[in-house]
Amino acid sequence: DGGITQSPKYLFRKEGQNVTLSCEQNLNHDAMYWYRQDPGQGLRLIYYSQIVNDFQKGDIAEGYSVSREKKESFPLTVTSAQKNPTAFYLCASSIQGTGSQETQYFGPGTRLLVL
Amino acid sequence: AQSVTQLDSQVPVFEEAPVELRCNYSSSVSVYLFWYVQYPNQGLQLLLKYLSGSTLVKGINGFEAEFNKSQTSFHLRKPSVHISDTAEYFCAVSDRDSSYKLIFGSGTRLLVRP
Repeated sequence: DGGITQSPKYLFRKEGQNVTLSCEQNLNHDAMYWYRQDPGQGLRLIYYSQIVNDFQKGDIAEGYSVSREKKESFPLTVTSAQKNPTAFYLCASSIQGTGSQETQYFGPGTRLLVL
Repeated sequence: AQSVTQLDSQVPVFEEAPVELRCNYSSSVSVYLFWYVQYPNQGLQLLLKYLSGSTLVKGINGFEAEFNKSQTSFHLRKPSVHISDTAEYFCAVSDRDSSYKLIFGSGTRLLVRP
């Protein structure tokens, strides 16, 4: 059964702590994305990757970092520099990430809460 | 830069009534348009998309949307809603300049009442 998985479903962060959100896909998609969703707002792009070992900043990359060592995995680290990390984080993937018409497929999300 | 406006933050409607969720975008260059649905505490699911061709696009769950280039709109409609349609609906746009990037509206919460 193909799809995108994100873990954990809920994550708690203590002040000054780095936390990592997992995103895995078995769709054989080249491109992967991380979005942040806040109440009453649309999704905002944090980082994206069009190919293994390459990634670019999105609109709100400050305080976040990513890696893309494997095609199927795109973990997001929320660092202590991110002062307002409480949000719903969504991972997505698309076949190539080079065409405006591509559909992005989304994972179930991780809700990050600050203790 | 491209932007997307969903004017209605919440739309309450009775079950079996018709509904229209509005979406307007800013730039009229060649665009691709998407509607996604999000159920509580879940990811987004694609409802339908417009890439080219017929301006009336049919999607899943009985939804359809009409692309209107002159009004830069892509409103979502359903002739008869069910309780199970209660969810958040997001309009998204990508264009030639944004390449792969999706620009999302702020969402419209559809609340279907019995």
